[in-house]
Amino acid sequence: RKEVEQDPGPFNVPEGATVAFNCTYSNSASQSFFWYRQDCRKEPKLLMSVYSSGNEDGRFTAQLNRASQYISLLIRDSKLSDSATYLCVTEGRDYKLSFGAGTTVTVRA
Amino acid sequence: GAVVSQHPSRVICKSGTSVKIECRSLDFQATTMFWYRQFPKKSLMLMATSNEGSKATYEQGVEKDKFLINHASLTLSTLTVTSAHPEDSSFYICSASTGPGPDTQYFGPGTRLTVL
Repeated sequence: RKEVEQDPGPFNVPEGATVAFNCTYSNSASQSFFWYRQDCRKEPKLLMSVYSSGNEDGRFTAQLNRASQYISLLIRDSKLSDSATYLCVTEGRDYKLSFGAGTTVTVRA
Repeated sequence: GAVVSQHPSRVICKSGTSVKIECRSLDFQATTMFWYRQFPKKSLMLMATSNEGSKATYEQGVEKDKFLINHASLTLSTLTVTSAHPEDSSFYICSASTGPGPDTQYFGPGTRLTVL
């Protein structure tokens, strides 16, 4: 079983729409959680950390549910530039990162 | 700040040759560097963790004699793919860490290796 599972998508949404997706993780000892963004043939870039209380960064809202071991990301008012693959990432006690395979989002004009 | 470079960005080589990839932290000292591999439409998979001056720790299933890692200084780690084969073709990404804790890994731009 993969340590981090994500719906690969793609999620095709019009500009201005809201899109949301989740990931689940299997390691209950995971300590930190992140969403990264990866553009085609590029390195992943940290989008935001995810906290149990839920956190927001502009149009992006992330939520962590430790009991159910899932993490969510919501993007409001989608922009064309939001088109990317979003990687769900957990960090273990050894500080190693485990990546999901990514959820592809395509925002169309 | 926190810039990590990789060289080369792209390499094409013949089967059986060895390829060296460099990872450098340009404006900070990295206590630990990580090497990942990513196949198309797949997740990044951690290959090994290297600390300056000590032997790398390889993840299960990664051959240490095939993927040689040297971490000679706090700003440089190298990954050598020895006797490369077409199945080694992949996107190799390093990250450099400033220390334990979250939000401390900075990724290089990656190296795309194609073995013919």
